[in-house]
Parts: sequence; C-alpha cells; structure tokens
Amino acid sequence: DGGITQSPKYLFRKEGQNVTLSCEQNLNHDAMYWYRQDPGQGLRLIYYSQIVNDFQKGDIAEGYSVSREKKESFPLTVTSAQKNPTAFYLCASSPLRGTSGRRETQYFGPGTRLLVL
Amino acid sequence: EDKVVQSPLSLVVHEGDTVTLNCSYEVTNFRSLLWYKQEKKAPTFLFMLTSSGIEKKSGRLSSILDKKELFSILNITATQTGDSAIYLCAVLSGTYKYIFGTGTRLKVLA
Repeated sequence: DGGITQSPKYLFRKEGQNVTLSCEQNLNHDAMYWYRQDPGQGLRLIYYSQIVNDFQKGDIAEGYSVSREKKESFPLTVTSAQKNPTAFYLCASSPLRGTSGRRETQYFGPGTRLLVL
Repeated sequence: EDKVVQSPLSLVVHEGDTVTLNCSYEVTNFRSLLWYKQEKKAPTFLFMLTSSGIEKKSGRLSSILDKKELFSILNITATQTGDSAIYLCAVLSGTYKYIFGTGTRLKVLA
C-alpha cells in the first residue's frame, strides 16, 4: 500500500526541548512539504523540498529545521526557538512529474499533534 | 501578497440540503486550484481545476473554476451527515507552492 506515514500521532514537548516529527512516503514523489495547522486557520507552509539534499523555507520557517537525506524521508525538528509550537503538523508530498493533473496533486499524511507541557 | 479566501467560514445545514462553498484567490503565477476534504486528520483530495468553465463532478460533489473572476465554487447536493468536514481550497502558484485558505467548516445535521 502506497502512502505517507507520520509519527508519532501525538507528541508532548517540554520547555526548551527540541523534538522531531517523522514523515515517510513510499509514493516515489519528488516533492515533500511540512505544514502547520492552527484552529480556525488554513495550512501554513513551514518547509518544502523538491529534491534530495535540497529544501527551502516556507512562510513560517522560524524555529523549525528539516533535512532531506533520502527521497522517502523528510523529518521536521521543532526547536526550542519555536515559542508557540502547539499545533497540528501535516506532511505532504507531490510527484512534480507525470501528466498534468497528477503531478500537481498533493497527498497528505495523517498528521502529528504537538502539545507543550 | 498571495491569498486564498474561503467563505463562509462555517455552515450548518440539514440532510438533503444543497450547499455551495466559495473560494476566491489572488495568486501570482496561478497553475491550478485544488479542493480537499478534511475530517479528523489528513485532508483528502477532491478535485483539481486548471481551466475555466469546465465542471468537475464526482457523485454529489461538483466544482467549477472562473479564472477571469478568480474564484471557484464547490457544490454538494443532497448532503449527508458524512459530508460534515472542513473543506479546504488551495491554489498552486508556480511549480511547488500551495497557498491554502482557512477552510469552510460544514456540519450536516440528521
């Protein structure tokens, strides 16, 4: 079964702690994305990556970091510099290649809910 | 600044009603507009629209894009309680950047 997995489902962070959210896809998609969703707000882009070993900041990258060492994996670290990390985090991927329609469609993982203790 | 605005923010209807959700946008380098349904967790893909005036349909859901007036609508006919969800509109700008609206929260009462 192809898809995107995120872990953990829930994550608790203590003050001053860095935490890492996992995102893995077996869809052979080139592009991967991280979004943050707060209540009453749409999805806001944190980071995205179009290719292995390359990534770009989105609109709200401060306090977050990512890596893209493998095509399948795009972990997100929420650092202690992120002062308000409580949110729902969604990872997504898209093919970037193929027929029009297919290459633009984004597929989402089930999300990780991050809470601050 | 690129933006996508959805209306209404929330909507409560009864089973069997028809609803129309709106999405307007101001985005540079428009490539396509996408609709998603989000229940508890991951948004699931509904439609992608790139051309004006061509309606996409899937069962009771349909959507159309107007690139001149910069908006799209999502129609749901004969609503069911299972249609209760947040409906998200996103616009793809260029190759990779998706700009999302805040979503419309739909509640369908039995």
